[in-house]
Amino acid sequence: GESVGLHLPTLSVQEGDNSIINCAYSNSASDYFIWYKQESGKGPQFIIDIRSNMDKRQGQRVTVLLNKTVKHLSLQIAATQPGDSAVYFCAEKSQGTALIFGKGTTLSVSS
Amino acid sequence: KAGVTQTPRYLIKTRGQQVTLSCSPISGHRSVSWYQQTPGQGLQFLFEYFSETQRNKGNFPGRFSGRQFSNSRSEMNVSTLELGDSALYLCASSLADSNKKETQYFGPGTRLLVL
Repeated sequence: GESVGLHLPTLSVQEGDNSIINCAYSNSASDYFIWYKQESGKGPQFIIDIRSNMDKRQGQRVTVLLNKTVKHLSLQIAATQPGDSAVYFCAEKSQGTALIFGKGTTLSVSS
Repeated sequence: KAGVTQTPRYLIKTRGQQVTLSCSPISGHRSVSWYQQTPGQGLQFLFEYFSETQRNKGNFPGRFSGRQFSNSRSEMNVSTLELGDSALYLCASSLADSNKKETQYFGPGTRLLVL
C-alpha cells in the first residue's frame, strides 16, 4: 500500500492497493474524530468515527487509527476501488465545540 | 429515512444582494450546523442551532445569520453579498447538540455564486 506523510494534498494508488491517508489534528482536548468522504458535487459523507478512549476502529474495508500522543489520525482503505476516488477529510471536536476540518486529501484510484 | 436536504441547490446573486438558504435535517435530528466550503479555506464552521437556539458560532461577520424553526428546519441568511461569499454552503444535522459525540450528516450543499 501507499501512505501519505503528514498531510499531502493528493494520493494516487492502483486499484486493489491499500491506501493510508494521514491527518494531524490540532487540539489535544479533542475527544471525537470523524472521517468524511466527499465526491465531486456532493456533500461530505460519513465514513467512520472514533472516540478518544479508543486507538483503533474498523469498518467495512476501512480502519481508523488514533495516536493521541502525537495527535495523529489515519484512515486505511483496504483493496482500494475506483469508487473510492474522492476527497477525504478528517474532523475533530471537543465537548461543546463545532467540528474542525482538516484540509483534505484527494485520493485518485486508477484501474 | 431521508437524508439532509438543502434548497436551492444552485444560486446566482450579485454583490449587495441578500440570500436565504434552507436546510431540512434528517427526521428526528434536532441539531443543525452550517459550514462554508471554499477551495482556499476549506470547510469552515458558521453556526450551530439546537432546539431553535444558537449554540455555537464561527468566526464570520454579522452579515451571516441563521435561525432554526420548531420543526428543526433551519435557514441561513447572508446580507450585502460580497464576491468572496461565493462558496458551497453545507448543512449538517445530528441527533444531539455539540456537547455530545454525535455524528453529523451532511446535505448536498447550496452552490452560491456572487457576481
